[in-house]
Amino acid sequence: GDSVTQMEGPVTLSEEAFLTINCTYTATGYPSLFWYVQYPGEGLQLLLKATKADDKGSNKGFEATYRKETTSFHLEKGSVQVSDSAVYFCALGSNYKLTFGKGTLLTVNP
Amino acid sequence: DADVTQTPRNRITKTGKRIMLECSQTKGHDRMYWYRQDPGLGLRLIYYSFDVKDINKGEISDGYSVSRQAQAKFSLSLESAIPNQTALYFCATSFGDAGAGELFFGEGSRLTVL
Repeated sequence: GDSVTQMEGPVTLSEEAFLTINCTYTATGYPSLFWYVQYPGEGLQLLLKATKADDKGSNKGFEATYRKETTSFHLEKGSVQVSDSAVYFCALGSNYKLTFGKGTLLTVNP
Repeated sequence: DADVTQTPRNRITKTGKRIMLECSQTKGHDRMYWYRQDPGLGLRLIYYSFDVKDINKGEISDGYSVSRQAQAKFSLSLESAIPNQTALYFCATSFGDAGAGELFFGEGSRLTVL
């Protein structure tokens, strides 16, 4: 079945550091890939998505590229801010549902 | 006001009690979902509904039931709560296939079963 494996956390960075959160997937067919973010005390919200191989999703300085050859969708940001502190979920979309990874807690210190 | 509203936001109950979590949405979406979030396990799908007459089990439906009272309302019930149902529960909506589009989440209902 479909599954998502993402980098174990927590991840702690200083402000302006480079961020990478790894995500790999297993799926049949041609899924869409997503990154969701959960800020403290809130529900999840879509950060970015890519619907086919080689697509790059981007939003708020975050980027991720759909790599079919390595079945990956790693999240990157060149310079993180304190306000980026949150839990990040990689997700795979197929037909009717999303399958989520376990989440990675990011803490950015000033 | 939030587009997807969950009530209650927090609930503490005892083993064996019946609990209902309610979800309402103003987005006009046809599809609604209930997820459970546990630390280190991510989100797992409990039930989903494509419309009022179409309700389906997710990956962890045992011990739960749902009711889609209207297009805008989707309730989750625990008929006899047990401690391992302590978790954060999220309702979500989508327009069309969640797998292709975007899910919109409520703020969550934290349930503690003693």
